[in-house]
Amino acid sequence: ETGVTQTPRHLVMGMTNKKSLKCEQHLGHNAMYWYKQSAKKPLELMFVYNFKEQTENNSVPSRFSPECPNSSHLFLHLHTLQPEDSALYLCASSQNPARSETQYFGPGTRLLVL
Amino acid sequence: LAKTTQPISMDSYEGQEVNITCSHNNIATNDYITWYQQFPSQGPRFIIQGYKTKVTNEVASLFIPADRKSSTLSLPRVSLSDTAVYYCLVGDMSGANNLFFGTGTRLTVIP
Repeated sequence: ETGVTQTPRHLVMGMTNKKSLKCEQHLGHNAMYWYKQSAKKPLELMFVYNFKEQTENNSVPSRFSPECPNSSHLFLHLHTLQPEDSALYLCASSQNPARSETQYFGPGTRLLVL
Repeated sequence: LAKTTQPISMDSYEGQEVNITCSHNNIATNDYITWYQQFPSQGPRFIIQGYKTKVTNEVASLFIPADRKSSTLSLPRVSLSDTAVYYCLVGDMSGANNLFFGTGTRLTVIP
């Protein structure tokens, strides 16, 4: 058990839809992350939050909008996505935001944009 | 920032020991070396972390030479369920900027 849950596990949406991905961690961690993993590509770090404050935004298009209301919950709001945004979206948490910190990943949301 | 290089893929038969080497020539003094395992359609899972010499846990061993410019993940007696992608990460405690998993090594265990 990783202690990180994500919903939904699968999502199909049209390019004009608005949807949200949810992540919750039950580990008491301070840092949370969103990653994107496209088919046969490396994990791409999208956003990092530390104590609810965004500390990293790796040039992610504005059609992806993160929200972190508290250190246990993280959302990724999606709107007017493109087919190339279809991917596995992974949430992770760690005690603190550092490259050497062990990250605990959720099961991911498999997103398909039509 | 230390860049890592790993073999793209490896094959091994069941029951064999597998060693996956990661090169990190520019590793900094404060950097730790961390390995993750990822199964298809799942998030990566932490395997082991080390700073120098040897670290062993119930899953794997990590060998780090004195110059720390490389590290080797050793999986004893692999089974089919060890088929996965293995990632090597290098970094310190200063922050999560430029956190980069790379392409990893795809290990296929053959019956």
